[in-house]
Amino acid sequence: DADVTQTPRNRITKTGKRIMLECSQTKGHDRMYWYRQDPGLGLRLIYYSFDVKDINKGEISDGYSVSRQAQAKFSLSLESAIPNQTALYFCATSDPGQGATGANVLTFGAGSRLTVL
Amino acid sequence: AQSVTQLGSHVSVSEGALVLLRCNYSSSVPPYLFWYVQYPNQGLQLLLKYTSAATLVKGINGFEAEFKKSETSFHLTKPSAHMSDAAEYFCAVIGNRDDKIIFGKGTRLHILP
Repeated sequence: DADVTQTPRNRITKTGKRIMLECSQTKGHDRMYWYRQDPGLGLRLIYYSFDVKDINKGEISDGYSVSRQAQAKFSLSLESAIPNQTALYFCATSDPGQGATGANVLTFGAGSRLTVL
Repeated sequence: AQSVTQLGSHVSVSEGALVLLRCNYSSSVPPYLFWYVQYPNQGLQLLLKYTSAATLVKGINGFEAEFKKSETSFHLTKPSAHMSDAAEYFCAVIGNRDDKIIFGKGTRLHILP
């Protein structure tokens, strides 16, 4: 099994629908992230969580919400999807580790491709 | 705030030629720097990281990167390109361990036969 699992892997939906993307991890990491990838724009951070009670907005949080249900689970919701939210979404985890060498290396899921019509 | 700029959204090199992918960073504190690679239809995986232990960092698959503080650069190189190196490469920065990680826009590497 993958260390970071995202579901669904592909989803097509219509404008105005509510969508949830789920992420679960077996790494035992406290830190979890949601990024979206768009061609030519790289990865942009949507939300991140450093532990179950800590949720932070990233660069582009408008139109999104998250829930950290447990250390291992971090879900991303689009309350009312719009076409410009069509993108590839990645969940990632990290552990700062001990000392400088831990340095927050990210482990990524395989991605969830969302298309909003 | 930290940021990275990757020069060139697409780079093409011939098989066997030198690979050079450029990354410049901006950081108000000594940064941690990373290169990640994304193969087609996959998530990102770590190539290498700089954490101030050594300025020349060796990564997987023959890649290496050199941290140059005077130039605020962290360019990625490989002496001889292989067809399997075709992928998108992302530079990333973090200002300290308790901060979020910021990615560049990526450089797609094309390998010409």
